Amino acid sequence: RKEVEQDPGPFNVPEGATVAFNCTYSNSASQSFFWYRQDCRKEPKLLMSVYSSGNEDGRFTAQLNRASQYISLLIRDSKLSDSATYLCVVSTSSNTGKLIFGQGTTLQVKP
Amino acid sequence: ETGVTQSPTHLIKTRGQQVTLRCSSQSGHNTVSWYQQALGQGPQFIFQYYREEENGRGNFPPRFSGLQFPNYSSELNVNALELDDSALYLCASTPGRVNTEAFFGQGTRLTVV
Repeated sequence: RKEVEQDPGPFNVPEGATVAFNCTYSNSASQSFFWYRQDCRKEPKLLMSVYSSGNEDGRFTAQLNRASQYISLLIRDSKLSDSATYLCVVSTSSNTGKLIFGQGTTLQVKP
Repeated sequence: ETGVTQSPTHLIKTRGQQVTLRCSSQSGHNTVSWYQQALGQGPQFIFQYYREEENGRGNFPPRFSGLQFPNYSSELNVNALELDDSALYLCASTPGRVNTEAFFGQGTRLTVV
């Protein structure tokens, strides 16, 4: 079983749609949680950290459910520029900054 | 831009050869981690260097080795290249060894033929 699992998609949605991505992680000792965005053939970039209380950044909302070991990302009012791969990321180590990435979920927003 | 730079950007090597990839960390960051990203997969942690010492390693064989220099720049060396080593190699820098808000360089795309 992979440590971080995501539906690879692709998710094809029209502009303006709301889309949700889910992710599960296997290690209950995981301490930090993130969503990264990766454009085609580019490096991953931090989209947002994810907190137990949930957090929002403009059109993006992230939720963490520690009991279910489940992380979500909601994108409202999708834009063409949101087309990318979204990587769910966790960190379990207290001694290193090792990041464990999911496979990524591909989003295509169409006009 | 993150301020993390990697070189070269692309590289083609023959199976069995050795390769060295380089990374300059963001100013003020003393920790560098290396990741391997195969096509269609998420990045996988290779190892981390903190103040010139290896500080954590992923599930990679010993032919993957690294160095960190006093200016916190880093090298990733891979010996005896195999076809499966073809991937995007990413360097990430953070201001501390347990800080997880990592800033990635643009990566080196290695093709082994």
